[in-house]
Amino acid sequence: NAGVTQTPKFQVLKTGQSMTLQCAQDMNHEYMSWYRQDPGMGLRLIHYSVGAGITDQGEVPNGYNVSRSTTEDFPLRLLSAAPSQTSVYFCASSYNPGGVEQYFGPGTRLTVT
Amino acid sequence: GENVEQHPSTLSVQEGDSAVIKCTYSDSASNYFPWYKQELGKRPQLIIDIRSNVGEKKDQRIAVTLNKTAKHFSLHITETQPEDSAVYFCAASSEGTYKYIFGTGTRLKVLA
Repeated sequence: NAGVTQTPKFQVLKTGQSMTLQCAQDMNHEYMSWYRQDPGMGLRLIHYSVGAGITDQGEVPNGYNVSRSTTEDFPLRLLSAAPSQTSVYFCASSYNPGGVEQYFGPGTRLTVT
Repeated sequence: GENVEQHPSTLSVQEGDSAVIKCTYSDSASNYFPWYKQELGKRPQLIIDIRSNVGEKKDQRIAVTLNKTAKHFSLHITETQPEDSAVYFCAASSEGTYKYIFGTGTRLKVLA
């Protein structure tokens, strides 16, 4: 199993550009989420999904969209990139909601200039 | 809102000494407390977890303790080694709700 995969690993955007961060998992996990990691602030939840077709907002959803058309994939879209979105983004999945280990992808380092 | 406070933010210990990292949570409904280790440039990986019906759990050199009354839980690493150097995150979660609240991390340096 590849586990949780993310692409790209690195990305540089100009302010106002849009892009999609890809996330996929092959563990048949129903629950997937996106976090951003900033220095000194830990991991903050952006959006999450409890199954195909179902998504919800986390702690810091503004400026991001998600969709979940399949169990395997959970892409994160930046609509109009801003320098404040410079961060490392992690996708995670688990087989139950809460109370179990989350499996993280390798991360995407995004810089917005 | 719910939050998890983690201390210290940085910790330096001599190789062979013990390291202790402490977290405090605010949500009384939290019943699952994982600890993740993140090496530089890598993804967070679970190293140990504890549920609210247990007071202590050990796995070789790593242990976690939980005080539900005080809403504290701590990570203990004994006989530290240079490969223990990393950032450690605590988190609090509730079974049945997809909400994990992470602490802000502790950078542990083990000095050879």
